[in-house]
Amino acid sequence: GQNIDQPTEMTATEGAIVQINCTYQTSGFNGLFWYQQHAGEAPTFLSYNVLDGLEEKGRFSSFLSRSKGYSYLLLKELQMKDSASYLCAVMDSNYQLIWGAGTKLIIKP
Amino acid sequence: GAVVSQHPSRVICKSGTSVKIECRSLDFQATTMFWYRQFPKKSLMLMATSNEGSKATYEQGVEKDKFLINHASLTLSTLTVTSAHPEDSSFYICSARGLAGNEQFFGPGTRLTVL
Repeated sequence: GQNIDQPTEMTATEGAIVQINCTYQTSGFNGLFWYQQHAGEAPTFLSYNVLDGLEEKGRFSSFLSRSKGYSYLLLKELQMKDSASYLCAVMDSNYQLIWGAGTKLIIKP
Repeated sequence: GAVVSQHPSRVICKSGTSVKIECRSLDFQATTMFWYRQFPKKSLMLMATSNEGSKATYEQGVEKDKFLINHASLTLSTLTVTSAHPEDSSFYICSARGLAGNEQFFGPGTRLTVL
């Protein structure tokens, strides 16, 4: 079966760095997405990785290793507004997104 | 660019009535649109995938006669919840994918409450 695993909840301190991991097992691979979702709102796109390596975009970076079925989202200089759920999703061979359950990130002052 | 709108943002209805939710891609042509449902503190659940001009493909366990999906144009898809019941109360989110790229762009969501 298809499976996406990510931690349920993480806590970090304002100004610090946090890494949210995601491991996956899917039938085929056409890229991995990270989305941010604030409570009561729809997800917003953060990043897309299809090749191995690190993609940096401002305070957020995303890493992919296809051979290991592994990705992480790195958030630097954490701000209180970064408190949200972070969703990992993999596009399978049918171009369908398989969603993880999300990681709730709590930022403390 | 790549803006998706949803209407209404919030709806409260009586049990047994039908509710229509619209999803529009405002600045691109959406060849494929997706409808999701999300219960509180739970992950997104894909309900169905629709391609313009063809019938929607429903996920296992989703009743196609209860959740009617129409994707009549490249910029509009509608989801109609027929004979709504309190257990249908949820956050319904649409997303759209264009011709270029694999990214899905999400609408702001519709919160449905069935009394």
